[in-house]
Amino acid sequence: EDQVTQSPEALRLQEGESSSLNCSYTVSGLRGLFWYRQDPGKGPEFLFTLYSAGEEKEKERLKATLTKKESFLHITAPKPEDSATYLCAVQDSTGGFKTIFGAGTRLFVKA
Amino acid sequence: DTGVSQDPRHKITKRGQNVTFRCDPISEHNRLYWYRQTLGQGPEFLTYFQNEAQLEKSRLLSDRFSAERPKGSFSTLEIQRTEQGDSAMYLCASSFPIFDEQFFGPGTRLTVL
Repeated sequence: EDQVTQSPEALRLQEGESSSLNCSYTVSGLRGLFWYRQDPGKGPEFLFTLYSAGEEKEKERLKATLTKKESFLHITAPKPEDSATYLCAVQDSTGGFKTIFGAGTRLFVKA
Repeated sequence: DTGVSQDPRHKITKRGQNVTFRCDPISEHNRLYWYRQTLGQGPEFLTYFQNEAQLEKSRLLSDRFSAERPKGSFSTLEIQRTEQGDSAMYLCASSFPIFDEQFFGPGTRLTVL
């Protein structure tokens, strides 16, 4: 069965203190791995899609990377406005477009 | 507004009542998804449609849940005989045919008393 595990559950950083969030996944075959950002009381907002091991994507202070078993979301010099829950999700190539989400990492960035 | 919309935004009901939620996807998005999210958890997949066809339904979903997407446009999610455990945020998302990113609506928060 497809599984997504995110760590840590919560992360507290000082402004400017870079760090990484981890997403470990288990699928029969990876169709795509997704990163979303979710602010309290709102729906998730799309950040990145990664399709194959070795792929990397960047957006402002965020960079997502992918291996055969896990993905990392690197946050460089975070700002307080980066505080949110970051969700990782996968689609299995054998399962149509069913999307399985992890529980998320809650990021708090203090000024 | 070109985003995904959901109605109502909040619903309070008594245990045993039926409730129905509506989702209007972004036009020309042929895939539509329903998720349930509880506090501190990620969205839990419920079902998805490609046009008007319901292609997959979670095995975790009881027979009290049903979803429709007539004519491949808006979708409804109905919960019959609600239970307190159904209290959650119900999220709808849609995606364009050749892209995989999902655009989420603001959600409907259900409280079952």
